[in-house]
Amino acid sequence: DSGVTQTPKHLITATGQRVTLRCSPRSGDLSVYWYQQSLDQGLQFLIQYYNGEERAKGNILERFSAQQFPDLHSELNLSSLELGDSALYFCASSVLDWGGYYNEQFFGPGTRLTVL
Amino acid sequence: DQQVKQNSPSLSVQEGRISILNCDYTNSMFDYFLWYKKYPAEGPTFLISISSIKDKNEDGRFTVFLNKSAKHLSLHIVPSQPGDSAVYFCAASGRNSGNTPLVFGKGTRLSVIA
Repeated sequence: DSGVTQTPKHLITATGQRVTLRCSPRSGDLSVYWYQQSLDQGLQFLIQYYNGEERAKGNILERFSAQQFPDLHSELNLSSLELGDSALYFCASSVLDWGGYYNEQFFGPGTRLTVL
Repeated sequence: DQQVKQNSPSLSVQEGRISILNCDYTNSMFDYFLWYKKYPAEGPTFLISISSIKDKNEDGRFTVFLNKSAKHLSLHIVPSQPGDSAVYFCAASGRNSGNTPLVFGKGTRLSVIA
């Protein structure tokens, strides 16, 4: 157990809908990261927040948005969903900024999103 | 444009033998490299890392080798055990490597056969 929690574990929805994925980082971690893993793809970085502020942005679609709240939990909002958005969405956290660079990113178990 | 490449999607090895997983990178600004291991229905977990000032780092059965001139790293598992069967992701990072803190490869699925 990494200490990072994600809800829900599974989500099935229809095209055009909007969903919210939630992540609670490990206690004490200030950075939160969101990744998308599609079939046969690696972990694609979406966005990072550090202590409530957006820190880094990757290949995140305009239909997707995220935020980190004062209690440090984060939400990823996906709107106008398309079939191609079906994927595993992982959240990770780290103590410091720029996690992965001499400070480990700890991953949650993921949310599996299925868009029908 | 893939900055971190794992060209072997899968690898099968007999129990007790050596497993060698390979990874190539293109961004010369990467200076810290990691391997993550992932079991089904779980998130990736950190396995081992190496700084660019070293060419080898060892942790028990796991050793990572870095060849900076070739922009290549490899993970050796000796001896391989059935519990090592998982997907292994190579990842790279650098303070000035771009707008992504950690860049992952697509992974190699290792199957250790008893």
